[in-house]
Amino acid sequence: EPEVTQTPSHQVTQMGQEVILRCVPISNHLYFYWYRQILGQKVEFLVSFYNNEISEKSEIFDDQFSVERPDGSNFTLKIRSTKLEDSAMYFCASNRDPSYNEQFFGPGTRLTVL
Amino acid sequence: AQKVTQAQTEISVVEKEDVTLDCVYETRDTTYYLFWYKQPPSGELVFLIRRNSFDEQNEISGRYSWNFQKSTSSFNFTITASQVVDSAVYFCALSQATSGTYKYIFGTGTRLKVLA
Repeated sequence: EPEVTQTPSHQVTQMGQEVILRCVPISNHLYFYWYRQILGQKVEFLVSFYNNEISEKSEIFDDQFSVERPDGSNFTLKIRSTKLEDSAMYFCASNRDPSYNEQFFGPGTRLTVL
Repeated sequence: AQKVTQAQTEISVVEKEDVTLDCVYETRDTTYYLFWYKQPPSGELVFLIRRNSFDEQNEISGRYSWNFQKSTSSFNFTITASQVVDSAVYFCALSQATSGTYKYIFGTGTRLKVLA
């Protein structure tokens, strides 16, 4: 069964460093999402991406964040200059047709900013 | 405004007990979708069910059942004869057609502890 994959599973970085979180969505999916979950809290929407552009972003998704689909398979989230409060689990999700089915979530990348 | 409320922060039950997890949502849309996800200690999000706003039929899947009531804006989840493996955090989520992106709005989750 196809699945969404994310790498790395855990990333440790120093404050101020740039990180890139990588996702490979399911191959025939068209809608892509990033969510964030700070430890012990709820899952929060960051950004959605469709037709090679951002379709919606939340207030959390400020200028420090960017997303890209550099080729036909990867979907990346970049944090330009990490802060301590960026420490969280980041989930990638994809969907072929949101009006017909659920989002498929990856296993997550745990980001720890020291 | 759209919102999902899971008022139960944590529930503890003894194995084989039935347990109901509550979910109340707010939306102005007439077309929307509701979901339940399970998050075990390993951290991944496991999809359990999707329900659209036009389908109020209750659903049963093994020990799991869901009660969708538009009149009270609730989408409650019952586990019958709970097992230790059911211990996890359970999230209810809402997605709306008018958002265009169908982003998910999650509740704060209910931590279920099933004791042997």
